[in-house]
Amino acid sequence: DAGVTQSPTHLIKTRGQHVTLRCSPISGHKSVSWYQQVLGQGPQFIFQYYEKEERGRGNFPDRFSARQFPNYSSELNVNALLLGDSALYLCASSSSPGQGITDTQYFGPGTRLTVL
Amino acid sequence: AQSVTQPDIHITVSEGASLELRCNYSYGATPYLFWYVQSPGQGLQLLLKYFSGDTLVQGIKGFEAEFKRSQSSFNLRKPSVHWSDAAEYFCAVGPNTGGFKTIFGAGTRLFVKA
Repeated sequence: DAGVTQSPTHLIKTRGQHVTLRCSPISGHKSVSWYQQVLGQGPQFIFQYYEKEERGRGNFPDRFSARQFPNYSSELNVNALLLGDSALYLCASSSSPGQGITDTQYFGPGTRLTVL
Repeated sequence: AQSVTQPDIHITVSEGASLELRCNYSYGATPYLFWYVQSPGQGLQLLLKYFSGDTLVQGIKGFEAEFKRSQSSFNLRKPSVHWSDAAEYFCAVGPNTGGFKTIFGAGTRLFVKA
């Protein structure tokens, strides 16, 4: 079975541009979460979507937005890119909306975004 | 404020030696606790998780962790380290009220010497 897939693998943008990152969850999973991992730090929660509805949002500016499609894939959009947005963006999927003893998030390999 | 502290930025152990990675957390309610591993160029893989009950949790790859409520700690252990265990390890806490708003520590980089 395919795991969580993300595209593109790497991306280089310049300040002020916008970017769209894509995530395909594991088949049958309806929850997608996005995390930002700056070099040398742990991942930071950005968004969670379940059944196309936003279920959680982290402390990120409005430049960050996301959506989930009917097939449960998801996009993360970042507008007006700043140098500080350079990071590894991780997507995680789960079959349920919340964490429980039998529920687990499965992470994709990430998209490496570099802002010049 | 909710936070996770991993005091050791990096640790070096010899292959075959025992390992303990430290994790302390600050959280308003009793959280769910996790340990993840990240190998270079890869995403995060869940090693183990604690929700309730037995405070000693067994995970994959021979890892275990112990939850100590009085110390707000959730340390990860392995009795004998293999060279393939070299990676970055993240401790994390999550809400027990639903959702995946997980808070991660800054990570501990494990180096294994022959």
